[in-house]
Amino acid sequence: AQSVTQLDSQVPVFEEAPVELRCNYSSSVSVYLFWYVQYPNQGLQLLLKYLSGSTLVKGINGFEAEFNKSQTSFHLRKPSVHISDTAEYFCAVKDSNYQLIWGAGTKLIIKP
Amino acid sequence: NAGVTQTPKFQVLKTGQSMTLQCAQDMNHEYMSWYRQDPGMGLRLIHYSVGAGITDQGEVPNGYNVSRSTTEDFPLRLLSAAPSQTSVYFCASSPDRFSGNTIYFGEGSWLTVV
Repeated sequence: AQSVTQLDSQVPVFEEAPVELRCNYSSSVSVYLFWYVQYPNQGLQLLLKYLSGSTLVKGINGFEAEFNKSQTSFHLRKPSVHISDTAEYFCAVKDSNYQLIWGAGTKLIIKP
Repeated sequence: NAGVTQTPKFQVLKTGQSMTLQCAQDMNHEYMSWYRQDPGMGLRLIHYSVGAGITDQGEVPNGYNVSRSTTEDFPLRLLSAAPSQTSVYFCASSPDRFSGNTIYFGEGSWLTVV
């Protein structure tokens, strides 16, 4: 079965420091890749997505992600985090069967 | 444009009771789905619909029913609530199932079964 692994359940980081949230997937044929963000007590909203083309994708709120086909990874990065980035981040992959597979989520904790 | 609207936001049920979570979208999306979110498990698909009159099971369908009589509405029914159904439920919609289109989520419904 296809799977998406978010390697860290929580990532604590100081405000204004850089952060990387890791995502690996098992499918050898990925179709589309997504990062969604969930702020406390809210629904999920799209941060960014990779459909095709340039492997570096820029999203909202200063986030970017890089698709690495050889390592089957789609890590999310931000050069300088703010307290408002406190949220849970979900990686998702749509495979060749168009099934959307979700990671378990990574909580980003910003320390003042 | 309200997007995806879910009601109620919070609900407490007793074991064995039934209830319906309502979901409506005003974006004319064909694809709608229900997820449950449990700590450490991410989102798990309960049921989905690719259009009015068409529904199918997801990963965790047991104990839930859905129907899709209109494009806009996709209610989720809990037939006989169990404590294992305590969770946060999200309704979502997108133009279709196949493309890389953005999925739009509702605000969530927090359900506790005692």
